[in-house]
Amino acid sequence: AQSVTQLGSHVSVSEGALVLLRCNYSSSVPPYLFWYVQYPNQGLQLLLKYTSAATLVKGINGFEAEFKKSETSFHLTKPSAHMSDAAEYFCAVSSNAGGTSYGKLTFGQGTILTVHP
Amino acid sequence: DGGITQSPKYLFRKEGQNVTLSCEQNLNHDAMYWYRQDPGQGLRLIYYSQIVNDFQKGDIAEGYSVSREKKESFPLTVTSAQKNPTAFYLCASSMVGVSPPQHFGDGTRLSIL
Repeated sequence: AQSVTQLGSHVSVSEGALVLLRCNYSSSVPPYLFWYVQYPNQGLQLLLKYTSAATLVKGINGFEAEFKKSETSFHLTKPSAHMSDAAEYFCAVSSNAGGTSYGKLTFGQGTILTVHP
Repeated sequence: DGGITQSPKYLFRKEGQNVTLSCEQNLNHDAMYWYRQDPGQGLRLIYYSQIVNDFQKGDIAEGYSVSREKKESFPLTVTSAQKNPTAFYLCASSMVGVSPPQHFGDGTRLSIL
């Protein structure tokens, strides 16, 4: 069984400030972890993914995330927020076991990021 | 360009009516998925298929049905048994392998008249 908890349904930052979106996961097997971004009335776009290689993962648009096994966390960060970063962000987990769970994702409830000028 | 096409973008259903949401992909992906999105609840898996002519129930399959007759197509039918169908529906696809990322369509918003 696997689950994802995103701490904070809404996060508000000023333009140029640090963005930190929190994600904790639970998985009975080593996980694969993903962050997606969703703009209004659109589908989800992959930001970055962790697949058991480097623990610090760099993604698109200046985002990065660090896998911390001891804390079961995969927090998303960006050093300097831009107005265009305003969107909803989803953390997701997939197990790296074989069988029918391959590719099947469990999503967190999402965090809406607001960026103020 | 390759991608996933969902149609229609907006759909209205009358009480007691079945409706079918279309999902087509030209990414040559083996696996396809249907999710339901409600505000504050993230995405919940309805059905998924890893190969043609085979599919499995997800976490909230009741009131929904699917078919996978072609690799590129995975239509979702919302039946009259689904009592609360108003939601944003997202289709996704992926390669089959070591937890590849899923690629998403732009969604269909279903509302009840």
